Amino acid sequence: KQEVTQIPAALSVPEGENLVLNCSFTDSAIYNLQWFRQDPGKGLTSLLLIQSSQREQTSGRLNASLDKSSGRSTLYIAASQPGDSATYLCAAMEYGNKLVFGAGTILRVKS
Amino acid sequence: ETGVTQSPTHLIKTRGQQVTLRCSSQSGHNTVSWYQQALGQGPQFIFQYYREEENGRGNFPPRFSGLQFPNYSSELNVNALELDDSALYLCASSLDRSSYGYTFGSGTRLTVV
Repeated sequence: KQEVTQIPAALSVPEGENLVLNCSFTDSAIYNLQWFRQDPGKGLTSLLLIQSSQREQTSGRLNASLDKSSGRSTLYIAASQPGDSATYLCAAMEYGNKLVFGAGTILRVKS
Repeated sequence: ETGVTQSPTHLIKTRGQQVTLRCSSQSGHNTVSWYQQALGQGPQFIFQYYREEENGRGNFPPRFSGLQFPNYSSELNVNALELDDSALYLCASSLDRSSYGYTFGSGTRLTVV
């Protein structure tokens, strides 16, 4: 059974800092890994999707990497801003197209 | 129409009642999945529909059921509501059960009292 773990559970950083969010999964047989952002009480916004054959994806200040062999993914946020404050979720897509989510990392960027 | 639309946004029901939540998929997406997100947790997979047929189910009891319609809209029905059913229910659509990723709606917040 796939299990996804995110560390840390919460993070508070000053504005401008670079930061890394970690995601680990137990079963390397995944289609892809997706990072989402969720604002309080809202739905999910897709940030980056890394196919199983890829190593990383970049969008603006965000960079996500994937290491299937070790069961790890990281989301790197450069030059953090207060508007980046949200919960960040990673999800592994299993064969059968089911997403298995971690519990998320709550990020607060202080101005 | 682009994006995934869910209705209603908020709902309060009494224990034992039945509820229907609705989702309009992103244009062209023939696969829809439903997720339940309890407070402080990640979303949990309920089930998926592909071309109007159930195509996978998570660890949820049969009182959770769904429908997908030819216009790609879908419903999640929950019978005999329990207090623990209180959660944010998320609908997500994708193209052909592919690995190109899912587009999520904003969710329906269900409160059972």
